[in-house]
Amino acid sequence: QITLKESGPTVVQPTQTLTLTCTFSGFSLSTTGVGVGWIRQPPGKALEWLAIIYWDDDKRYSPSLKGRLTITKDTSKNQVVLLMTNVDPMDTATYYCVHKGPRPQNWFDPWGQGSLVTVSA
Amino acid sequence: SYDLTQPPSLSVSPGQTATITCSGDQLGDKFISWYQQKAGQSPVVVIYLDNKRPSGVPDRFSGSNSGTTATLTISGTQAMDEAHYYCQAWDSATVVFGGGTKLTVL
Repeated sequence: QITLKESGPTVVQPTQTLTLTCTFSGFSLSTTGVGVGWIRQPPGKALEWLAIIYWDDDKRYSPSLKGRLTITKDTSKNQVVLLMTNVDPMDTATYYCVHKGPRPQNWFDPWGQGSLVTVSA
Repeated sequence: SYDLTQPPSLSVSPGQTATITCSGDQLGDKFISWYQQKAGQSPVVVIYLDNKRPSGVPDRFSGSNSGTTATLTISGTQAMDEAHYYCQAWDSATVVFGGGTKLTVL
């Protein structure tokens, strides 16, 4: 059974860097084709994809946020970390960690429970 | 950037068919996934690869994709199907979500 869980601060001050950790089980991020991604959802709004990292350390970012995001993995700890610099109240959202399996899987399943982050002074 | 367009809302009566559309340029050339998100919960995939249904998803859920429009169809809609539905595609190795459709069953 695959599970993912997000962890990180619940409140971050504007201009700071947000660090979110995804801790997963039930799969290995060293398996060919596997990826772990991040998706966020502002309160009452739509889903927004942020980034994904693959088993071979290939990384992809949302074009609209690319300069502010860094995604890394620690395969031995079964963790993926997302850094978001210079946060703004508009970054207030629930942040989800997701699993993507090897091809042909191009969908995200499962999702973590989500972590609500509020950006406020 | 690539955009996916969904109607913001749709209302159906129990037992009716709900049809949720997702439009994008040459969308039929891509594979579409659909996610269901009930209030206060994380999204769950209900359709992948345009028309495949994960185990555990009722067969009243079906999908199609052709031309510029992908469609999620829920036949015999039940009250438990009330949720937000999001389509998702890949474009140039990045991910795009539609704006979501709130399905109300009343």
